[in-house]
Amino acid sequence: DVKVTQSSRYLVKRTGEKVFLECVQDMDHENMFWYRQDPGLGLRLIYFSYDVKMKEKGDIPEGYSVSREKKERFSLILESASTNQTSMYLCASSPPNGTGGTHNEQFFGPGTRLTVL
Amino acid sequence: AQSVTQLDSQVPVFEEAPVELRCNYSSSVSVYLFWYVQYPNQGLQLLLKYLSGSTLVESINGFEAEFNKSQTSFHLRKPSVHISDTAEYFCVTGGGNKLTFGTGTQLKVEL
Repeated sequence: DVKVTQSSRYLVKRTGEKVFLECVQDMDHENMFWYRQDPGLGLRLIYFSYDVKMKEKGDIPEGYSVSREKKERFSLILESASTNQTSMYLCASSPPNGTGGTHNEQFFGPGTRLTVL
Repeated sequence: AQSVTQLDSQVPVFEEAPVELRCNYSSSVSVYLFWYVQYPNQGLQLLLKYLSGSTLVESINGFEAEFNKSQTSFHLRKPSVHISDTAEYFCVTGGGNKLTFGTGTQLKVEL
């Protein structure tokens, strides 16, 4: 059974704190992704990674960084949390892409609801 | 750039009634389209996908979507909904190793 796990379901932090969100997948997938989900905006891609130590910016990378030291683990880092980063954060993974683009299903974790006070 | 537009943010419907969730896409290249579903307090999961071939695609739980190139649409339909279909549904387009999500449609099935 495929599985993507995220370290916390709910997290409350204060403005200015450094925040780590962890994601682990057990499917040996090359690709991993971080999204944030906000009402009325759908999912927006923050960062993604094709391989260990590789990362690429998504659509909204400002205020975030990522780390991928092992294939199964992809971390999202908020260097200095701000209230506008209060959101639901979703991690996903997928196998290597087919020809022509993203044909492969992305498998999602349950999400981390982050509140920044 | 590829994008999708979901025309309805909320769709209330009674159980056993038919439903259509609307999605229009915008793309100048080959189109890959998906519907993902998010049940309450759960992560997203793939419902169905169109990559090529038959324009009508089906899911295992009775949903279907038709790729319509002339109308640039990929509407999701089910002839008779169940209370367990209550969820948020996302129309998604793929390409360039990324997925682009629509804003979501909340389907609420009432008794």
